[in-house]
Amino acid sequence: AQSVTQPDIHITVSEGASLELRCNYSYGATPYLFWYVQSPGQGLQLLLKYFSGDTLVQGIKGFEAEFKRSQSSFNLRKPSVHWSDAAEYFCAVGYNDMRFGAGTRLTVKP
Amino acid sequence: EAGVAQSPRYKIIEKRQSVAFWCNPISGHATLYWYQQILGQGPKLLIQFQNNGVVDDSQLPKDRFSAERLKGVDSTLKIQPAKLEDSAVYLCASSIAANEQYFGPGTRLTVT
Repeated sequence: AQSVTQPDIHITVSEGASLELRCNYSYGATPYLFWYVQSPGQGLQLLLKYFSGDTLVQGIKGFEAEFKRSQSSFNLRKPSVHWSDAAEYFCAVGYNDMRFGAGTRLTVKP
Repeated sequence: EAGVAQSPRYKIIEKRQSVAFWCNPISGHATLYWYQQILGQGPKLLIQFQNNGVVDDSQLPKDRFSAERLKGVDSTLKIQPAKLEDSAVYLCASSIAANEQYFGPGTRLTVT
């Protein structure tokens, strides 16, 4: 069965510092992978997705993610974090039957 | 383009009462999803519709939860009777194809 693990429940970074959020997945076939962001009281917004092709995917708001099949990982990165990036981030895998990770809460220190 | 609309945004009920949530997907989106997001967890798919037919309801607690999408557009999700553990945010999403889902703002349900 497909599943997603986000090992970090909460991460704190300073504004301007780099960010990497980890995501590991289990999927029986070629995975469809997604990163969503959720601000308090808001629905989920798609940051980026990977279906096939180039393993480095660019998304909105300056985010990127790299698919590594050998490590079953799809980590999200941003070179310089802004205070407005503070939110909950969810990794998801699947196609019709999407499965979400438990999320990583990002706090940005001034 | 209008997004996915949900109402109400907040609902507080007592246990054993019933409640219904409404979702209006993005125009032209044939696929509609209902998710339950318990505090501190990721969203869990409850049911998926393709037009007005159910594609997947394997995680829907059918003894108390029901959902319909009669005309293949709007959808309602009902809980009857509610339990304390049903307190969560209920998210509706829609998609043209099953590769990018657009989410509504959610309905926050509190069962007391």
